[in-house]
Amino acid sequence: AQSVTQPDIHITVSEGASLELRCNYSYGATPYLFWYVQSPGQGLQLLLKYFSGDTLVQGIKGFEAEFKRSQSSFNLRKPSVHWSDAAEYFCAVGAENYGQNFVFGPGTRLSVLP
Amino acid sequence: GAVVSQHPSRVICKSGTSVKIECRSLDFQATTMFWYRQFPKQSLMLMATSNEGSKATYEQGVEKDKFLINHASLTLSTLTVTSAHPEDSSFYICSARTGEFTGELFFGEGSRLTVL
Repeated sequence: AQSVTQPDIHITVSEGASLELRCNYSYGATPYLFWYVQSPGQGLQLLLKYFSGDTLVQGIKGFEAEFKRSQSSFNLRKPSVHWSDAAEYFCAVGAENYGQNFVFGPGTRLSVLP
Repeated sequence: GAVVSQHPSRVICKSGTSVKIECRSLDFQATTMFWYRQFPKQSLMLMATSNEGSKATYEQGVEKDKFLINHASLTLSTLTVTSAHPEDSSFYICSARTGEFTGELFFGEGSRLTVL
């Protein structure tokens, strides 16, 4: 069965600092990997996704993520954080047969200091 | 990109009443929609999978008589919380996918239900 872990429940960074949010997954085949962002009281917005090919994926809002099969990881990065990036971030794994829903990680809450 | 809209975004009701939440795919046909519940500061919990024209598939532990799901058309799924109680207060989110696997789900904005 698929599973997703996000080791960091809450991260605080200063505005302008770099950011890395960790995501590890467990899945028997090549996973489809996603990062979503959720602002308070809002739905989920897709930041980026990985299906195959280049393991470094570029997303919206200056985010990128790197798929590392050997580490079963898909960490999200941003070189310079903006105050508006404060939100909840969810990593998710999808299944190729897609008969099932995504499996979501528990989320990482990002706070940004001015 | 594909847009999914939920309505209402916020609803307050009295205990014992029923509340209906709509999930619409605005610019694509959604053969499958998913309903989630999200508790404060927690991740999304899948409640059920809704397939157009057939009965919803509920996850273990979700009361199908309490949370009625109808997917009568390719652009609309509804979640009805029947005889709501304060413990049903939560944030409910829907998502949808197109017919063929594209590896992506499109999410609604969410609906905040408060039961007094």
